[in-house]
Amino acid sequence: KAGVTQTPRYLIKTRGQQVTLSCSPISGHRSVSWYQQTPGQGLQFLFEYFSETQRNKGNFPGRFSGRQFSNSRSEMNVSTLELGDSALYLCASSPTSGGVAGELFFGEGSRLTVL
Amino acid sequence: LAKTTQPISMDSYEGQEVNITCSHNNIATNDYITWYQQFPSQGPRFIIQGYKTKVTNEVASLFIPADRKSSTLSLPRVSLSDTAVYYCLVGEGVAAGNKLTFGGGTRVLVKP
Repeated sequence: KAGVTQTPRYLIKTRGQQVTLSCSPISGHRSVSWYQQTPGQGLQFLFEYFSETQRNKGNFPGRFSGRQFSNSRSEMNVSTLELGDSALYLCASSPTSGGVAGELFFGEGSRLTVL
Repeated sequence: LAKTTQPISMDSYEGQEVNITCSHNNIATNDYITWYQQFPSQGPRFIIQGYKTKVTNEVASLFIPADRKSSTLSLPRVSLSDTAVYYCLVGEGVAAGNKLTFGGGTRVLVKP
């Protein structure tokens, strides 16, 4: 079974640009979560989607947005990039649809560098 | 969301048992305790999850006291490849939209 796939793995942008990151969850997983990881702030929750609906959002500015498609694939977008947006962006999918807390399966991440 | 506190780092030697304790004083009734392992430039990997008492799988054990205000991850007979950052998480998981809060993690260094 293929794991969570994130593209691109590495990218470099300049301040003011925007970026779109893609995540393909494990087949059959309907929940997709996004996290930002930086050396200073650690792993921070961005948002979570389930069946194309955003169920939860972390404390990030509106420049960070996301969406989920009918096939559960998800994208996140960061507009007007700032130097502080340089980070490893991780996507995780989950197999369960509710009830008991589920195991998260993480991708290898997209490393964004903003110059 | 319950906040977690765990040691910043721990050193150990191959073959020893490593115990990492996580404090989560304001854990809620519906919260589960989950531990993840992360290697550099990789996403975290699920290790173990529990609600109360003791849980054991092929790689680790998780001890949770009755008051659930802390938990201890036990890694038996560690090897060099167990050098990683270990995160303790407390949350409802999928039912709450997987809004899990990762603490700072514990950096475990296994020496030969």
